[in-house]
Amino acid sequence: ETGVTQTPRHLVMGMTNKKSLKCEQHLGHNAMYWYKQSAKKPLELMFVYNFKEQTENNSVPSRFSPECPNSSHLFLHLHTLQPEDSALYLCASSHVQVYEQYFGPGTRLTVT
Amino acid sequence: QQQVKQSPQSLIVQKGGISIINCAYENTAFDYFPWYQQFPGKGPALLIAIRPDVSEKKEGRFTISFNKSAKQFSLHIMDSQPGDSATYFCAAQRTGGSNYKLTFGKGTLLTVNP
Repeated sequence: ETGVTQTPRHLVMGMTNKKSLKCEQHLGHNAMYWYKQSAKKPLELMFVYNFKEQTENNSVPSRFSPECPNSSHLFLHLHTLQPEDSALYLCASSHVQVYEQYFGPGTRLTVT
Repeated sequence: QQQVKQSPQSLIVQKGGISIINCAYENTAFDYFPWYQQFPGKGPALLIAIRPDVSEKKEGRFTISFNKSAKQFSLHIMDSQPGDSATYFCAAQRTGGSNYKLTFGKGTLLTVNP
């Protein structure tokens, strides 16, 4: 595997389900990010982790819970989501001291 | 408050033509301006980026023009090809601090007709 990978690529879940999104970066980076991409809205930063420590929570509802066990892996735990949470969730990574961010292909989430 | 405004929302260009996408920002603390290209089913990929100490940067057929006083920057795609058909996002970043938060424009869907 190369670059940034995300699983699953597609997820359909009910409002009462609990699921997790997984991101893995193979680039030796030390910062990881979760973004939300909705139709007709700009990409929204959700969370930032530098060296496994969360440095930004962009006022994200508590039904989204991130986890970063090490610099290569990032999870987004989901529970009791709303239909408006349906979107493409993108993971990205970078070196802390370098500006370029590399994105994964995203997980297309549909909440029914 | 939208900090990066991008236009147009969509653009149709003939093969060989010039595609121009414009962005304007509000926060004068931004000091790094990348453009990302996104194909359907893929994540955004960094295309080209500029710092405000230069007014233009060119990489192949892609050029960024930057106007610091107007707080505007634009992407020019010369000799546009059907393979350039994608969504393009401008972004702005303040590179100091503990994270490198990207603020994105809403995107421009470019279609290049053969």
